[in-house]
Amino acid sequence: QKEVEQNSGPLSVPEGAIASLNCTYSDRGSQSFFWYRQYSGKSPELIMFIYSNGDKEDGRFTAQLNKASQYVSLLIRDSQPSDSATYLCAVKRRNYGGSQGNLIFGKGTKLSVKP
Amino acid sequence: DGGITQSPKYLFRKEGQNVTLSCEQNLNHDAMYWYRQDPGQGLRLIYYSQIVNDFQKGDIAEGYSVSREKKESFPLTVTSAQKNPTAFYLCASSILLVGTDTQYFGPGTRLTVL
Repeated sequence: QKEVEQNSGPLSVPEGAIASLNCTYSDRGSQSFFWYRQYSGKSPELIMFIYSNGDKEDGRFTAQLNKASQYVSLLIRDSQPSDSATYLCAVKRRNYGGSQGNLIFGKGTKLSVKP
Repeated sequence: DGGITQSPKYLFRKEGQNVTLSCEQNLNHDAMYWYRQDPGQGLRLIYYSQIVNDFQKGDIAEGYSVSREKKESFPLTVTSAQKNPTAFYLCASSILLVGTDTQYFGPGTRLTVL
């Protein structure tokens, strides 16, 4: 089982719709979860992080975390063509050599928002 | 401006050559990281450092070396021992404090072996 799994897509939604991106992880002890957006040829940029079960909203973005089911999702409301990108889910490893801050990344979901 | 810079943006290497990728940050972050990204793949951790003069191997350290002589700088050397070095290389940094350990990325260096 891969540590962090995402559907590679592409996920295609019409402009103005809600895009739903999902991510599952294997380490039940994981504590921190991150969503990054990566435009083609560019580096990842942070969208949101979430640590606690439930929802966290920031503008048009909502992150949802369910630790019991080991999944984290990202909802994008009122999707715009400029949201077209690859979305990377990242999970912070637990007790990786006694250090902190190391992330495991999924392969990303490619989102396409059609005008 | 605060941020992370990487240079060069594009780098071409002949087989058998060592090349060094630069990463500098002025965010006063404690930790710095190097990742590699191949087409259609997620990021894979090469090396990381949490303090000056100390660093640890990540998942794919073979064929790479790093140094951390200054807090601001974390250069990566791709040696001739790395069999398939063509990839997009990303440097990141973060504060080491639970609750604020988000990693921020530089613009990346695209390395191509000729």
